[in-house]
Amino acid sequence: AQSVTQPDIHITVSEGASLELRCNYSYGATPYLFWYVQSPGQGLQLLLKYFSGDTLVQGIKGFEAEFKRSQSSFNLRKPSVHWSDAAEYFCAVGARDAGNMLTFGGGTRLMVKP
Amino acid sequence: NAGVTQTPKFQVLKTGQSMTLQCAQDMNHNSMYWYRQDPGMGLRLIYYSASEGTTDKGEVPNGYNVSRLNKREFSLRLESAAPSQTSVYFCASSEEVAGIYNEQFFGPGTRLTVL
Repeated sequence: AQSVTQPDIHITVSEGASLELRCNYSYGATPYLFWYVQSPGQGLQLLLKYFSGDTLVQGIKGFEAEFKRSQSSFNLRKPSVHWSDAAEYFCAVGARDAGNMLTFGGGTRLMVKP
Repeated sequence: NAGVTQTPKFQVLKTGQSMTLQCAQDMNHNSMYWYRQDPGMGLRLIYYSASEGTTDKGEVPNGYNVSRLNKREFSLRLESAAPSQTSVYFCASSEEVAGIYNEQFFGPGTRLTVL
């Protein structure tokens, strides 16, 4: 069975600073990988996804993520954080042999200092 | 195009009461899911339905039942609510075509409190 670990429960960055949110997964074959964002009281919105091909994936709102098979990681990055990026971020892994089921990490709450 | 809708948005129950959470999607997706979200635990899959007429258990199915009423609607029922079922519940849908896995689209959630 697959699993996802997001080691950082909370992260605080200053507005304009760069951001990296960590995600490590466990799965025996090539996974499908996702990053979702959740604003307070809202549902989840897809930021980006990796299925195959180029390991550097571009998403919405200026986010990108890099799939590193050797490290079983799919870290999310943004070069310059905006106050509106404050939210909770979830990494998720899916696999073809698990149907359409996703396994989520515990989430990382991002706070942005002015 | 409303996407995935859920009703109600909020609900307070007493222990032992029953209720049904409703979910509908207008994207013609085959697959639908129910998750619960608890602090620090991310989202955990309760039940899913890969297609109309089929349902399967997820990671945390105990205390819940589901019905895939038609392609659009997927309901979650708590027969006898317990305080441990206090959570935020999310419905999602996705489409898989010829083995290509697409992302899941989420509803706004139902915040349930069981006293």
